[in-house]
Formats: sequence, structure tokens, C-alpha cells
Amino acid sequence: DVKVTQSSRYLVKRTGEKVFLECVQDMDHENMFWYRQDPGLGLRLIYFSYDVKMKEKGDIPEGYSVSREKKERFSLILESASTNQTSMYLCASSSGTSGTIQETQYFGPGTRLLVL
Amino acid sequence: DAKTTQPNSMESNEEEPVHLPCNHSTISGTDYIHWYRQLPSQGPEYVIHGLTSNVNNRMASLAIAEDRKSSTLILHRATLRDAAVYYCILIGDTGNQFYFGTGTSLTVIP
Repeated sequence: DVKVTQSSRYLVKRTGEKVFLECVQDMDHENMFWYRQDPGLGLRLIYFSYDVKMKEKGDIPEGYSVSREKKERFSLILESASTNQTSMYLCASSSGTSGTIQETQYFGPGTRLLVL
Repeated sequence: DAKTTQPNSMESNEEEPVHLPCNHSTISGTDYIHWYRQLPSQGPEYVIHGLTSNVNNRMASLAIAEDRKSSTLILHRATLRDAAVYYCILIGDTGNQFYFGTGTSLTVIP
């Protein structure tokens, strides 16, 4: 079974702190994704990566950056956390056979971030 | 961007079939239709996906309209474990259509 793990289930940070959310997948998947989930807004794509060192902006990249130095790891970075970044963050991965991104996405359990 | 619209909530009696609709009127020819569901306190999990033809797997069936502007996820016999939020999303070649929206919250009544 595919396993996607996220470094923390719950995280509390202060405004202005730099925050790192880590995601690791064990299935050698090419594609990895970061979403945030908020009540009434559903899941929204922040960034995705289709290869090491490659990244693409999603719908809401402002205030976030990402890093993909190794295939299995995709990090989401909040350079200066703000209260409006309090949310549930979900990581996902999918295989990218033949460079496609239509494959099944496998999600991690999520990190609930509270910014005070 | 192509997006999807789904009813906010639906109810079903246990052991009865459930038809969850999704509209995607601006779908493009290369977009796949994916369905995921999210149980409480968990990340979403894959249910089924298709391009043009109807699809069946052990979890559900997917019926895709001939013009592809709508689809329906069919749970043949709802169980209490099927109570979840169901998301219909489009995934295309460009990768800019991962729109989950708010999904349909399914309540299964014993």
C-alpha cells in the first residue's frame, strides 16, 4: 500500500515564524501536491511538483513556497506565518507514468496548523 | 479553469443505492473525472475515475454522460461506513484543474 506521511498531525506556531511542513511518500511517485482545507472552501491546491526540483503553482500559492530536493519528500514552507494560514494542510502523491498527472492521488492524514 | 458543482449534502438509507451527481459543464477533452471521499479526521481517499466510458470497481460505479458535462457516482448499497464527504474533481494534462470544491456530505441513515 502507498503510504504518505506528514511530519506532524497538529502544530501551533506564532505569527511571523517560519514553518516547515514535511511530506514523505514511499511509492517512488513522481508527482506530489500540497492542499489546504478550510470549512466552506473545500480543498484548494497550493503547489504541486512533477519531478525533483520542479514545482508548479496551484490556485493559492501566495504566502507559501515549496521544496523538492528528493523524490520522496515535498516540503511546504510558510516564510512568515500569519493567522489566515491557520488551516488543515494535506499532502498527496501520484505516479506520473509517461509524464501524466491523471493518476490516483494518495493523501496523507493532514497537519492541522494553528497560527497564533 | 474547469470546475465542478455538487450538492452540499445528501441522505440515503442503509443498504439502498446512492447516486451522487456532479456537473462539470466546462470540462475539456483531456480532463479525467475523479471521485474521492473523505472520512472524518482523515485525508481524502480515491474512489474511482474515468474519461468517457462508465467504470466499475469494487467500491462504486461511475456513470459519465455522453457529452461529459456531468457524471454520477453510484454506491450500490450504502453502508454506515460510506458516510463521508464525496468530491468530484477534474484532472487534466496541464495540472491546473485540481479543483475539489466543498463536495457532497453523504449521511447514511440506519
